[in-house]
Formats: sequence, structure tokens, C-alpha cells
Amino acid sequence: DVKVTQSSRYLVKRTGEKVFLECVQDMDHENMFWYRQDPGLGLRLIYFSYDVKMKEKGDIPEGYSVSREKKERFSLILESASTNQTSMYLCASSLDSVRNTEAFFGQGTRLTVV
Amino acid sequence: DAKTTQPPSMDCAEGRAANLPCNHSTISGNEYVYWYRQIHSQGPQYIIHGLKNNETNEMASLIITEDRKSSTLILPHATLRDTAVYYCIASPSYNFNKFYFGSGTKLNVKP
Repeated sequence: DVKVTQSSRYLVKRTGEKVFLECVQDMDHENMFWYRQDPGLGLRLIYFSYDVKMKEKGDIPEGYSVSREKKERFSLILESASTNQTSMYLCASSLDSVRNTEAFFGQGTRLTVV
Repeated sequence: DAKTTQPPSMDCAEGRAANLPCNHSTISGNEYVYWYRQIHSQGPQYIIHGLKNNETNEMASLIITEDRKSSTLILPHATLRDTAVYYCIASPSYNFNKFYFGSGTKLNVKP
């Protein structure tokens, strides 16, 4: 089974802190994604990556950056956390762009910024 | 990407078939219809996808109308564990698999 693992289920950080959310997949997938999920807004795409060191902005990249130094790992970085970044963060991966396969999601990280 | 429209909630009796509708009237020829579900406090889980033909797997069946403007996800024998939010997504085949999730349908399976 494909496994997408997010480093933390729950995080509490202070305003202004630099926050790293880590995601690892074990199936050699090319594509990886970061979403945030908020009540009434559904899932919104922050960033995605289709290869090592490649990244593309999603719909709401402001306040975030990403890093993909290795194929299996995709990190989301909040440079200076703010309270409006309190949310559920979901990482996903999919095989590649040609074969249009499904995406597999991690369990999510619930981040609270105080 | 085509917009999808789903009812906000539905009820289903345990053991009965759950039929979840989705409208995607602006879907283009190269867009697949995907279904995911999200059980409370978990990440979304893939269920099934299709382009034109009806599809079936161990979890569900997907019925796509001939004009492809709507589809129905069928859970043949719903259980309490099927209570979740179900998302219908239209995604182009050539894209980088960006999945745009809307609000979905909250399916309540009742004993």
C-alpha cells in the first residue's frame, strides 16, 4: 500500500515562528502536493511539485514556501507563522502526470498558531 | 477545470445502496471524473474514477451519463463506516493531477 506520512498530527506554534511541515511518501511518486483545509472552503492547493527541485504555485501560495530536495520528501514552510494560517494541512502524492492516477493523502497536520 | 456541484448532505439507511449525484455540465472531453471521500479527522481517500464508461471496483460503482454532464457514485451496501464527506472532482488527463475539491456531500449512514 502507498503510504504518505506527515510528521505531526497536531502542532501548536507561536506567531512569527518559522514552521516546517514534513511529508514523506514511499512509492516513488513523481507528484506531491500540499493543501490546506478550512471549514466551508474545502481543500485549497498551496503548492505542488512534479519532480525533485521543481515546484509550482497553487491557488494560495502566499505566506508559504516549499522544498523538494529528494523525490520522497516534500516540505511546507511557513516563514513567519500567523494566526490566519491555523488550519488542517494535507499532503498528497500521485504517480505521475501522464498516467493520471489517483492521489494518496496523508492523515493531515492540524496546525494552531497562537 | 470543470466545476462540480453536489448536494450538501444525504442520508442513507445501513445496508441500503447510497447513490450520490454530481453535476459537471461544463466538463471537457479530456477530464476524468474522480470520487474521493474523507472520514472525520482523516485525509481524503480515493474511491474510483472514470472518463466515459461506467466503472466498478471493490468499493463502489461509478455511473457516468452518456453526455458526461453528470455522474452517480453508488455504494451498494452502505455501512456506518461509510459515513463521510464525498467529493466529486473533474480533472484533466494532461494536467499535473491538481485536484480541486469543493464542499462535497456529507453522507450520513444511519442504523
